[in-house]
Amino acid sequence: GEDVEQSLFLSVREGDSSVINCTYTDSSSTYLYWYKQEPGAGLQLLTYIFSNMDMKQDQRLTVLLNKKDKHLSLRIADTQTGDSAIYFCAEREAGNMLTFGGGTRLMVKP
Amino acid sequence: DSGVTQTPKHLITATGQRVTLRCSPRSGDLSVYWYQQSLDQGLQFLIQYYNGEERAKGNILERFSAQQFPDLHSELNLSSLELGDSALYFCASTPTGGVGTEAFFGQGTRLTVV
Repeated sequence: GEDVEQSLFLSVREGDSSVINCTYTDSSSTYLYWYKQEPGAGLQLLTYIFSNMDMKQDQRLTVLLNKKDKHLSLRIADTQTGDSAIYFCAEREAGNMLTFGGGTRLMVKP
Repeated sequence: DSGVTQTPKHLITATGQRVTLRCSPRSGDLSVYWYQQSLDQGLQFLIQYYNGEERAKGNILERFSAQQFPDLHSELNLSSLELGDSALYFCASTPTGGVGTEAFFGQGTRLTVV
């Protein structure tokens, strides 16, 4: 199967920007997603980007897509303690199912 | 609230038993997906149904089965349970079975096998 990889952990100070990175392998992916999972909770869709786009901005969130390198990133501006969670990137494959990365745990220090 | 409802939220059962997890998709969504989230395997796609028919299969064990009913709710049946089946089981729904945009997830059912 296709692999989606993320770093395990990121720690930032409140007010700083966070950048969470993801690499994927399926060049035919149509959409790429970022989900947030808070402790004991489900998966919350944060944002997504269509594969023909390079960038998408949505309030504090900026998604950058480098198709050549199959690299996706999520930037959170002015990170708050409420942003502490696990962030998953996912790619949509041809069969419409999602393949997830292992998740990046973001810790925001006051 | 994603609009996808999963019941029960928590389930504790013994090895060898059988359980049924239920999912109600968002209103109007025809496609339902089941995922398993475990510590060692991460988030894995299990199976997809579209308008009552199986559309795609992922890493689903033979001991597991699913179905989607005419009212579009879906059930995931897990039998001969093993300790390693302990996980969070998510359901997601999309409007169509083909290429689409958002997939909305339920809150999950946490299964503990003891």
